[in-house]
Amino acid sequence: AQSVTQLDSHVSVSEGTPVLLRCNYSSSYSPSLFWYVQHPNKGLQLLLKYTSAATLVKGINGFEAEFKKSETSFHLTKPSAHMSDAAEYFCVVSDSWGKLQFGAGTQVVVTP
Amino acid sequence: NAGVTQTPKFQVLKTGQSMTLQCAQDMNHEYMSWYRQDPGMGLRLIHYSVGAGITDQGEVPNGYNVSRSTTEDFPLRLLSAAPSQTSVYFCASSYSSPGSNPNNSPLHFGNGTRLTVT
Repeated sequence: AQSVTQLDSHVSVSEGTPVLLRCNYSSSYSPSLFWYVQHPNKGLQLLLKYTSAATLVKGINGFEAEFKKSETSFHLTKPSAHMSDAAEYFCVVSDSWGKLQFGAGTQVVVTP
Repeated sequence: NAGVTQTPKFQVLKTGQSMTLQCAQDMNHEYMSWYRQDPGMGLRLIHYSVGAGITDQGEVPNGYNVSRSTTEDFPLRLLSAAPSQTSVYFCASSYSSPGSNPNNSPLHFGNGTRLTVT
């Protein structure tokens, strides 16, 4: 069985400061991991994915995530938040059959 | 190229009514799926399909039926709506099962259907 835990339900940052969204996972094999973003009243959009290649993964809009097997973590970071980063973010783990397990989501608020 | 199109965007049903949520994609994706999104619970898989004529249950299939007669369409049917089915529903598709070939298979999501059952 696999699971994913997003450690913060809400994160508030000031524009121009770093963003850190934390995600821990459990899996009995080498998982594929994803981060998705959801803007209000929209579907989810893929930010980045880890698929057993480089452990540091770069995504769109300046986001990146680091896969740490020893810590079973896949935290998402961005050096400098922009107002357009206000959204909900989901960490996702996938098994080899394609079944995805979504985290509960982290709501990001960016203040001027 | 419209991507994944869901209709309707909003729907209100009375308990016991039936309806079909439509989903269509124009990317020739083999894999299609339905999720429901509830506050604090992320997205949960209802049903999925790996190709025309093939469907399978996800995490929360009870109360929902699906069929896949064409590659493009994957409707979700509620046979007898219940208040517990009040949710936002997302259809998503990908070239192949997301876990089978993650390099080629990011999920493409529709914009969702907001369903209220009274």
